Amino acid sequence: GENVEQHPSTLSVQEGDSAVIKCTYSDSASNYFPWYKQELGKRPQLIIDIRSNVGEKKDQRIAVTLNKTAKHFSLHITETQPEDSAVYFCAASVSGTASKLTFGTGTRLQVTL
Amino acid sequence: EAEVAQSPRYKITEKSQAVAFWCDPISGHATLYWYRQILGQGPELLVQFQDESVVDDSQLPKDRFSAERLKGVDSTLKIQPAELGDSAMYLCASRETIQETQYFGPGTRLLVL
Repeated sequence: GENVEQHPSTLSVQEGDSAVIKCTYSDSASNYFPWYKQELGKRPQLIIDIRSNVGEKKDQRIAVTLNKTAKHFSLHITETQPEDSAVYFCAASVSGTASKLTFGTGTRLQVTL
Repeated sequence: EAEVAQSPRYKITEKSQAVAFWCDPISGHATLYWYRQILGQGPELLVQFQDESVVDDSQLPKDRFSAERLKGVDSTLKIQPAELGDSAMYLCASRETIQETQYFGPGTRLLVL
């Protein structure tokens, strides 16, 4: 089955700096890669996703890049703000009716003033 | 905006007791998932439903866990008997069959004493 590895496990940045979180996956058939943000005690919420036919996707301060050859994808957050502090999870799946997500182990991002 | 509902939000039980969790997906979402999230880790799939049918329960410990979605709408996850190692957050998610995005509920935090 799919295996997703995520690094780093913790990340501390100063407000205004950029943050990068990296994930690798093992199943070359995976073609959908979402990122979820989970604040303490709250539900995971989708912040951005990318499909394998696209190399990069951007939404305001958040961007995701995908390298299918190397089987890795990354989350980039620019101009970080205190409200970006949370745990971020990457995931991978093969599209379809039976699609199921395999999650990484999470990155705890702390944005300090 | 429609959300996935779960209850109870918190559950404390003693080992060997039975517990049950309930999930009401977003209306019209035929695919429903139950995940277990151990503190500090990513969600791990327990069972996936397509309408009332189980699509994948390969990671469900069937000696003690059961799940049902009798009418293809809401779902119940049961543990009997509960063990200390079952302490975790149990998350429900749903999605439209033709879409990839999974929407998560707030979860049920289980503590087994």
